[in-house]
Amino acid sequence: GENVEQHPSTLSVQEGDSAVIKCTYSDSASNYFPWYKQELGKGPQLIIDIRSNVGEKKDQRIAVTLNKTAKHFSLHITETQPEDSAVYFCAASRTGRRALTFGSGTRLQVQP
Amino acid sequence: DGGITQSPKYLFRKEGQNVTLSCEQNLNHDAMYWYRQDPGQGLRLIYYSQIVNDFQKGDIAEGYSVSREKKESFPLTVTSAQKNPTAFYLCAIRGAGVDTGELFFGEGSRLTVL
Repeated sequence: GENVEQHPSTLSVQEGDSAVIKCTYSDSASNYFPWYKQELGKGPQLIIDIRSNVGEKKDQRIAVTLNKTAKHFSLHITETQPEDSAVYFCAASRTGRRALTFGSGTRLQVQP
Repeated sequence: DGGITQSPKYLFRKEGQNVTLSCEQNLNHDAMYWYRQDPGQGLRLIYYSQIVNDFQKGDIAEGYSVSREKKESFPLTVTSAQKNPTAFYLCAIRGAGVDTGELFFGEGSRLTVL
């Protein structure tokens, strides 16, 4: 089955700096890669996703890049703000698969 | 969130007791999922259901049971056979559309075994 690895497990940045979180996946047939943000005590919320037919997608301060050859994808957050502090999860799946396989999460702390 | 309701939010159980976590949705979506979250770990799939009256085991189904008698409801029972049940439990639905992979999560239920 699919295996998703996520790094780093914790990340601390100064407000205004950029943050990058990286994930690798094992199933070359995976074609959908979402990123979720989870605030304390709440369920994860989808913040951005990318499908395998594109290499990059942006939404304001966040962007995701995908390298299918290397089987890795990354989340980039620019101009970080304190409210970006949360746990971020990457995930992967392929068409027809039952569910998402998640990475182990990255706790992002943005220092004011 | 936005049509997915999990209850209770907090639950305490004594060892040897079964407990049932509720997950209700009013979005008329077919596919529903239960995930378990432990500190420092990602979400792990317990059970999922693609349609009413049908469900399949996920990666960590031992000690859990589910039912899907109605489209809007997918309750999870944590049985006494689950050796380490203290965790945060998340219910999700899959977005509408034939090929979408998006999952939308509820607010979660935190179970603590005393």
